[in-house]
Amino acid sequence: EPEVTQTPSHQVTQMGQEVILRCVPISNHLYFYWYRQILGQKVEFLVSFYNNEISEKSEIFDDQFSVERPDGSNFTLKIRSTKLEDSAMYFCASSESGRNQPQHFGDGTRLSIL
Amino acid sequence: DAKTTQPNSMESNEEEPVHLPCNHSTISGTDYIHWYRQLPSQGPEYVIHGLTSNVNNRMASLAIAEDRKSSTLILHRATLRDAAVYYCILTSSSNTGKLIFGQGTTLQVKP
Repeated sequence: EPEVTQTPSHQVTQMGQEVILRCVPISNHLYFYWYRQILGQKVEFLVSFYNNEISEKSEIFDDQFSVERPDGSNFTLKIRSTKLEDSAMYFCASSESGRNQPQHFGDGTRLSIL
Repeated sequence: DAKTTQPNSMESNEEEPVHLPCNHSTISGTDYIHWYRQLPSQGPEYVIHGLTSNVNNRMASLAIAEDRKSSTLILHRATLRDAAVYYCILTSSSNTGKLIFGQGTTLQVKP
């Protein structure tokens, strides 16, 4: 069964550094999402992406965050200048046709900011 | 975004059926009911979704009340691997498909 894959599984970064989290969505999917989960807390929506542009973003997704689909397969989340509070699990998800269709999640990248 | 209410936790015995309830009294006519689960140290996993009629798939069944103000996820025969947090989430045609996760129901399965 096709899967969403995320790399790396664990990223350790110094505060203030830039970090890029990578995702390979399922190949025929058109809608892409990033979520995060701080340890012990709820999964939180960050951003949705369709047709090469952001379709919706949450209040968490401020100017420090950006997303890109640089080629036909990768979907990346960049945090420009990391803060301690960015430490979390980051999940990528994709769906075939958006809105009311199932989303398939990756296993996440654990981001640790020192 | 329409809200859902779930019990914080439930327990079940292995190989017995489990009924996980969800209340969504403010659901609108075009909202879909989705269930996801999250096993320890993993990403959320899609379980099932429906609009008005009951739905069955290889993982579970979804029973939707006639007035759609509540629904029940049914695991027909719980296994230890079903121990997870189960989330009931509504999605609307008017948004971009984002999922708003609540606290969910933590299901414990006893051997």
